[in-house]
Amino acid sequence: DIQMTQSPSSLSASVGDRVTITCRASQSISSYLNWYQQKPGKAPKLLIYAASSLQSGVPSRFSGSGSGTDFTLTISSLQPEDFATYYCQQSYSTFFTFGPGTKVDIK
Amino acid sequence: EVQLVESGGGLVQPGGSLRLSCAASGFTFSSYEMNWVRQAPGKGLEWVSYISSSGSTIYYADSVKGRFTISRDNAKNSLYLQMNSLRAEDTAVYYCARSGYSYGTTYNWFDPWGQGTLVTVSS
Repeated sequence: DIQMTQSPSSLSASVGDRVTITCRASQSISSYLNWYQQKPGKAPKLLIYAASSLQSGVPSRFSGSGSGTDFTLTISSLQPEDFATYYCQQSYSTFFTFGPGTKVDIK
Repeated sequence: EVQLVESGGGLVQPGGSLRLSCAASGFTFSSYEMNWVRQAPGKGLEWVSYISSSGSTIYYADSVKGRFTISRDNAKNSLYLQMNSLRAEDTAVYYCARSGYSYGTTYNWFDPWGQGTLVTVSS
């Protein structure tokens, strides 16, 4: 199975900060990488698919990059509603796997 | 509006069984692959099972293989997860999620997700 790791596991940031989250796959997954946002008590929400494509309706301050094994999710200017946990997911293999998550909280 | 609504969760004893349902609306259910994903309390997301649009192709995570069965009824716009031989470690919120594809490519993702249903395995 393909293993996914994320770093950091948590971070504290202020409104307006630029935030970068890293995701790494245990083998090359081309661009088969998705990012989700989850707020407490809510279902995950798709932000980015195919490594860098922004899901419809998602603010443009979110962006994704990378291919192969290393990927990043960037929030260009953190907003109050962005405090949440972010998960990467590989869809290269049908045995889909998620990263362990990165919790973004208020500094 | 595209919507997925899970039901069937609850408290069950270890070794017991439970059947989850996911009712789909707002899209042509029979055209989409579907998935179950779970989240133990305070933990991350774990993919559980996948089923193709026709139901002919099915995959399971190793953690549930042989105990859980995914199925669908396209006439009823419904997805199911039959869970047998339940263990304490199966305690989680279970989400159903639709697979989406980028036109002309094989890139795929999960969107939307249902609100989830809580399964608690405890004596």
